[in-house]
Amino acid sequence: AAGVIQSPRHLIKEKRETATLKCYPIPRHDTVYWYQQGPGQDPQFLISFYEKMQSDKGSIPDRFSAQQFSDYHSELNMSSLELGDSALYFCASSARTSGATDTQYFGPGTRLTVL
Amino acid sequence: KQEVTQIPAALSVPEGENLVLNCSFTDSAIYNLQWFRQDPGKGLTSLLLIQSSQREQTSGRLNASLDKSSGRSTLYIAASQPGDSATYLCAVGRGSYQLTFGKGTKLSVIP
Repeated sequence: AAGVIQSPRHLIKEKRETATLKCYPIPRHDTVYWYQQGPGQDPQFLISFYEKMQSDKGSIPDRFSAQQFSDYHSELNMSSLELGDSALYFCASSARTSGATDTQYFGPGTRLTVL
Repeated sequence: KQEVTQIPAALSVPEGENLVLNCSFTDSAIYNLQWFRQDPGKGLTSLLLIQSSQREQTSGRLNASLDKSSGRSTLYIAASQPGDSATYLCAVGRGSYQLTFGKGTKLSVIP
């Protein structure tokens, strides 16, 4: 079965640089979520999109922005990178159904290292 | 603000034992609860999803229960195997569908 695809899998950047992470949800899934997992930490919700509109916003820094495109893929743009942004970034997708919430399926993550 | 706690933080058991992982949450107004498995440096694999209206879900050797009123969930693993060694994360979903995670229980199954 198709899974959530994230690219790149690994990314190394310098401080103050910009990074773009991409997420391709499971086919026919209409909702995308972004999470950040720091070393030894639990995943923290950043932002989500439903049918290409921002659905909810968590602890996403103002330096970060995201969007969902017409083909439902999503991109997380990170600017002015800081050392503390080094983390594993997960994308998840789900198929929202009326009156119910469905399983979130996670991608393998993008490991971002900021030097 | 929802807080999710998992006890114990780490657990080591001999192969073949049955075990229970615990998860508690502070706000009972949840929409669902999801259990995940995470191997070191890897992604999250969804194990079980329990809707707020459900009491339990089963998948193979795994059984998850939910007591929304008391803010508790348990994950029961039967006949544990070394391949079950991983970190198990409990996550609670609320109205906006975002998940709030616990810090996980690191399970080691000794052959």
